[in-house]
Amino acid sequence: GENVEQHPSTLSVQEGDSAVIKCTYSDSASNYFPWYKQELGKRPQLIIDIRSNVGEKKDQRIAVTLNKTAKHFSLHITETQPEDSAVYFCASGGGGFKTIFGAGTRLFVKA
Amino acid sequence: GAGVSQSPSNKVTEKGKDVELRCDPISGHTALYWYRQSLGQGLEFLIYFQGNSAPDKSGLPSDRFSAERTGGSVSTLTIQRTQQEDSAVYLCASSLRDNSYNEQFFGPGTRLTVL
Repeated sequence: GENVEQHPSTLSVQEGDSAVIKCTYSDSASNYFPWYKQELGKRPQLIIDIRSNVGEKKDQRIAVTLNKTAKHFSLHITETQPEDSAVYFCASGGGGFKTIFGAGTRLFVKA
Repeated sequence: GAGVSQSPSNKVTEKGKDVELRCDPISGHTALYWYRQSLGQGLEFLIYFQGNSAPDKSGLPSDRFSAERTGGSVSTLTIQRTQQEDSAVYLCASSLRDNSYNEQFFGPGTRLTVL
């Protein structure tokens, strides 16, 4: 069945450094790749998404890249700040199929 | 406008009792998902309602779990004969269309504790 693998499970960076989270997916029909951020005790919220006709998308300090051939996509956060500390979930979907979430990455940004 | 709402926000029950969790999606959203999130863990998919199609129940962990969506709006997740391992936060999410191209809006969740 469909599967999304996410790495690393935990990531600790110094404030100001970059953080990269990587995901792979199995369903070649997937064409929509959202990323959600879940702060402690709160609900997940969409922070950025990318569709398969685009290789990269940026929004201020956040960028996502997609390699459809390799079925990889990544989240890049630059100039990390303590408020970036949260759990980040990647997901894949589209094509009429349900969205499948990765297991999550717990990001710690040390001040 | 109003977001996704869930009730109750917290539910404490005794092992063996049945519980019903409610989700009110955003008006007009045709897709609705239920997830389970244990402490510090990821989002475990439970069930997916897509418009008028038969729901995708492939994530339900046992036959003690069931869900329905009446009139294409409100959904109820029922857990029969609850067990301690059912303790978790149950999250509901809805999205505008059923082609998965759209943002899922999550509710605040129901924290279920089975004693």
